[in-house]
Amino acid sequence: GAVVSQHPSRVICKSGTSVKIECRSLDFQATTMFWYRQFPKKSLMLMATSNEGSKATYEQGVEKDKFLINHASLTLSTLTVTSAHPEDSSFYICSARRGIGGMSYEQYFGPGTRLTVT
Amino acid sequence: GQNIDQPTEMTATEGAIVQINCTYQTSGFNGLFWYQQHAGEAPTFLSYNVLDGLEEKGRFSSFLSRSKGYSYLLLKELQMKDSASYLCAVRDSNYQLIWGAGTKLIIKP
Repeated sequence: GAVVSQHPSRVICKSGTSVKIECRSLDFQATTMFWYRQFPKKSLMLMATSNEGSKATYEQGVEKDKFLINHASLTLSTLTVTSAHPEDSSFYICSARRGIGGMSYEQYFGPGTRLTVT
Repeated sequence: GQNIDQPTEMTATEGAIVQINCTYQTSGFNGLFWYQQHAGEAPTFLSYNVLDGLEEKGRFSSFLSRSKGYSYLLLKELQMKDSASYLCAVRDSNYQLIWGAGTKLIIKP
């Protein structure tokens, strides 16, 4: 099956610093990658959708200047949380979809990154 | 608006059968997914339905009725490791996944 990795799996940073999370599709080319945020006992909240080589599409209420997304290649997308605050502490999960447009039906999830901002 | 409903929590006994229901109202329909999520981990794919009917995969089966906006996930021969949250998600006309809040399944010996 398709494998998606995320790095780091856990990160603790100080308030005001920036943190970069990497998402890689290991054995397939991901034309579309998604970034989700999940609060405890809550469902997944889509933050943004990124297509390789183009700007990410952010969901309403998500600050694009705070959550920088780069999808530089078909196997790598990065999420950078800039000037992190304690309220940014959360579980961030990426997923990758292969295929063109909506023709592929499966999204493969990374293992998630637990961010704690102190 | 778009909405997906599933029970917040269910309890079942090891070895038994449990059915987790999901109802949805979305802008268009391009498939329904069930995911399993253990605490602290990312979701893992369980099943995909796009046509009406039952899809069986080992101990897990998933059913879809598009006319009723309804699906269920059936888990048989429950094992303790099945204790997890089960997320229902629908892909809408924009091919975006709309997520339910998840059903926490507690398995008792």
